[in-house]
Amino acid sequence: DAGVIQSPRHEVTEMGQEVTLRCKPISGHDYLFWYRQTMMRGLELLIYFNNNVPIDDSGMPEDRFSAKMPNASFSTLKIQPSEPRDSAVYFCASSFAALYEQYFGPGTRLTVT
Amino acid sequence: KQEVTQIPAALSVPEGENLVLNCSFTDSAIYNLQWFRQDPGKGLTSLLLIQSSQREQTSGRLNASLDKSSGRSTLYIAASQPGDSATYLCAVTHQTGANNLFFGTGTRLTVIP
Repeated sequence: DAGVIQSPRHEVTEMGQEVTLRCKPISGHDYLFWYRQTMMRGLELLIYFNNNVPIDDSGMPEDRFSAKMPNASFSTLKIQPSEPRDSAVYFCASSFAALYEQYFGPGTRLTVT
Repeated sequence: KQEVTQIPAALSVPEGENLVLNCSFTDSAIYNLQWFRQDPGKGLTSLLLIQSSQREQTSGRLNASLDKSSGRSTLYIAASQPGDSATYLCAVTHQTGANNLFFGTGTRLTVIP
């Protein structure tokens, strides 16, 4: 398997623009997670899905953030409108079942100017 | 809220040395603990997952131990190599079964040839 795939790897955008990050989990994994990593706060869980259904979105910072999983092989994290403080590395991870090992994608480095 | 701490924040050792990385967590009601490595600009690679009922796990030159009651875990790396240079992160999940991974702050390891 190719592992968790994320795109784009780098995104530079201006404040106020919409940003969409994409993730393809490992085939057969029922759980998908979105994390954000910053120097100040480290790695934080934003939201996770089980069988395409959002289970816990308590980590989503604001209404500007939204995530969807229309099918088992694709998820998006959208920020609209983006702000400079959203600059971070966003990781997607997947796992086979609850509380199993999580496998991470390479991340998307987002810079909002 | 679970707090996960890793000490030291950075460590430099000469090649061939054995070393220990430390992880401590404030809430001992964990389900499992996972050790990751992160290379600069890359995603996280899972190294070892240790269940709360286990005392240790081994993979090659790596050995992770867990003392749940005292809220501590260690990652032992034997015969370190320059290729081991990376940031090492530990993360725990809660006993309730929630899938949230609470990450430590990481230890940046440099192995000097």
